[in-house]
Amino acid sequence: NAGVTQTPKFRVLKTGQSMTLLCAQDMNHEYMYWYRQDPGMGLRLIHYSVGEGTTAKGEVPDGYNVSRLKKQNFLLGLESAAPSQTSVYFCASRKTGTGELFFGEGSRLTVL
Amino acid sequence: ELKVEQNPLFLSMQEGKNYTIYCNYSTTSDRLYWYRQDPGKSLESLFVLLSNGAVKQEGRLMASLDTKARLSTLHITAAVHDLSATYFCAVPDTSGTYKYIFGTGTRLKVLA
Repeated sequence: NAGVTQTPKFRVLKTGQSMTLLCAQDMNHEYMYWYRQDPGMGLRLIHYSVGEGTTAKGEVPDGYNVSRLKKQNFLLGLESAAPSQTSVYFCASRKTGTGELFFGEGSRLTVL
Repeated sequence: ELKVEQNPLFLSMQEGKNYTIYCNYSTTSDRLYWYRQDPGKSLESLFVLLSNGAVKQEGRLMASLDTKARLSTLHITAAVHDLSATYFCAVPDTSGTYKYIFGTGTRLKVLA
């Protein structure tokens, strides 16, 4: 059982470049989330989705876009990367009922 | 705005000692979650607390929830080195948004 899978695991970008992070879950969860983790800041919610075709903003949505075209996939896009977006990004999906979150392994992004 | 505060932020303790980590939150949520994160790794679920008075135990860790006080505790009994990690509490937003807000984490180091 793969759970939540994120790709890529590591990426280095130059300022202004674009990229997409992919999150895939095989647990049939409705809700999915993108967080970023920075030292001393804990996890901050970027965007989330409560179902296929729906997305909503979290605490720090600026500079990011998301799409949920299929229930199992949640994409996070950076249109024009900035050094402030250097971070570790975690995707999570929510178990129906208990509300427990299951996390992917993380994607470490460096923007030069 | 939902706020989640953990203390202490850093904890260095000797093996065999007991200690408690506190998680305070600002809403009326009746659920709370604890996660563990090892350095460079993802978050894994430790405890799911779903009601006032809930108590869960796993090995040397015990978590409890007091929704009236808006407080959860994570108690460590007779600490061992393997418990060294960062511990996060998370609270669901009760405004109907299905967001989860994380505390800033408690970095625990158990010294041999």
